[in-house]
Amino acid sequence: QQPVQSPQAVILREGEDAVINCSSSKALYSVHWYRQKHGEAPVFLMILLKGGEQKGHEKISASFNEKKQQSSLYLTASQLSYSGTYFCGTENVGGFKTIFGAGTRLFVKA
Amino acid sequence: DGGITQSPKYLFRKEGQNVTLSCEQNLNHDAMYWYRQDPGQGLRLIYYSQIVNDFQKGDIAEGYSVSREKKESFPLTVTSAQKNPTAFYLCASRGTSWWGELFFGEGSRLTVL
Repeated sequence: QQPVQSPQAVILREGEDAVINCSSSKALYSVHWYRQKHGEAPVFLMILLKGGEQKGHEKISASFNEKKQQSSLYLTASQLSYSGTYFCGTENVGGFKTIFGAGTRLFVKA
Repeated sequence: DGGITQSPKYLFRKEGQNVTLSCEQNLNHDAMYWYRQDPGQGLRLIYYSQIVNDFQKGDIAEGYSVSREKKESFPLTVTSAQKNPTAFYLCASRGTSWWGELFFGEGSRLTVL
């Protein structure tokens, strides 16, 4: 039931791009993306709803393929501040219950 | 400013003792959640509540209990039945839509000695 995230970890140099994937075996209505710094609360990045839309926030964007029950988070021209653990959270229709993946650790070095 | 307040931030407990973690929100949100996070792992859902006086078990509810007597409060009790309670606990709330953004508190780190 827990969505599967890949890769588990990634190391980037400043300015490089990364893609983080999230897939579910169940039909999804929505997918959230959050970033968490060590010892802090997760911070909301964006939410995608059923319908295959793509969203963007500065140099971070995401897509949702409802046929494949997959979402991808795109980080372009990475900055040091992008370091942290990225989580996807998923919901089924009418569920109220948000289930998170195990996370992807991203480290950006100068 | 509106937000979610968790207390205490750090808590030490002896084995066999119950402990209650506080979660208060002034966002006027209906839904509230408790998640557990272990090192290097994701957030696992313990309990959630959609409205006052109603709550549902999440994926790892054994050894935990909650109450929802007021809209703004959702305390979590870690009982002595919880076999491995040392973890980082996060409380969250959600507004009007059942699929909307989750707002998280700063977390409570529980260590069992």
